[in-house]
Amino acid sequence: QLQLQESGPGLVKPSETLSLTCTVSGYSLPNSIYYWGWIRQSPGRGLEWIATVYYSGSTFYNPSLKSRVTISIDTSKNQFSLKLSSVTAADTAVYYCARIGSPLVPNSHFDYWGQGTLVTVSS
Amino acid sequence: DIVMTQSPDSLAVSLGERATINCKSSQTVLYSAKNKNYLAWYQQKPGQPPKLLISWASTRESGVPDRFSGSGSGTDFTLTISSLQAEDVAVYYCQQYYTTPPTFGGGTRVEI
Repeated sequence: QLQLQESGPGLVKPSETLSLTCTVSGYSLPNSIYYWGWIRQSPGRGLEWIATVYYSGSTFYNPSLKSRVTISIDTSKNQFSLKLSSVTAADTAVYYCARIGSPLVPNSHFDYWGQGTLVTVSS
Repeated sequence: DIVMTQSPDSLAVSLGERATINCKSSQTVLYSAKNKNYLAWYQQKPGQPPKLLISWASTRESGVPDRFSGSGSGTDFTLTISSLQAEDVAVYYCQQYYTTPPTFGGGTRVEI
């Protein structure tokens, strides 16, 4: 059974970098036919796609966040990660990792989600 | 970006009655060459992540009760719960994946 689990600090100071990791179990990332992504949810912005990565290292970013976001993958650890720099209070949200549900396609529905992790930006 | 607009924001439905949620996209999400609508529906309960109910506008995911159905094409879509059950109380979202970035509607809260 495929499962995803987010991990990382729940509190980040303004102007610092938010770093999260998603650990995938029940599915092997090396040579995966699926893409993997990050989505966040906040009362003010709703559900917002952040970025997507493939096992090969190919990446796709939301233009609205691209200048501040890095997504990466470590297939040896079966993990992928998110870094968001220069955070402000507007980046306070629940961050989810998820699988893109159509094989070999970077943009599709999201069929498996982690439970989410709340990240608060505050000094 | 494609803007997804859901209506109503919330609705109250009696147990066993029909619930209808609408989703409108600012441009078509129908890929004519494949005759597929690039639209999904999700259910989110408090403290849980969104759960995929329907993809390609009308294809139910495995395990999703058949009282949930999706319809529509182009820019106008509907999620119907034919006979509302207590466990269906949740917020429902539509999402387009026709273009990047994928975008979500603002959600519709369904209550008893």
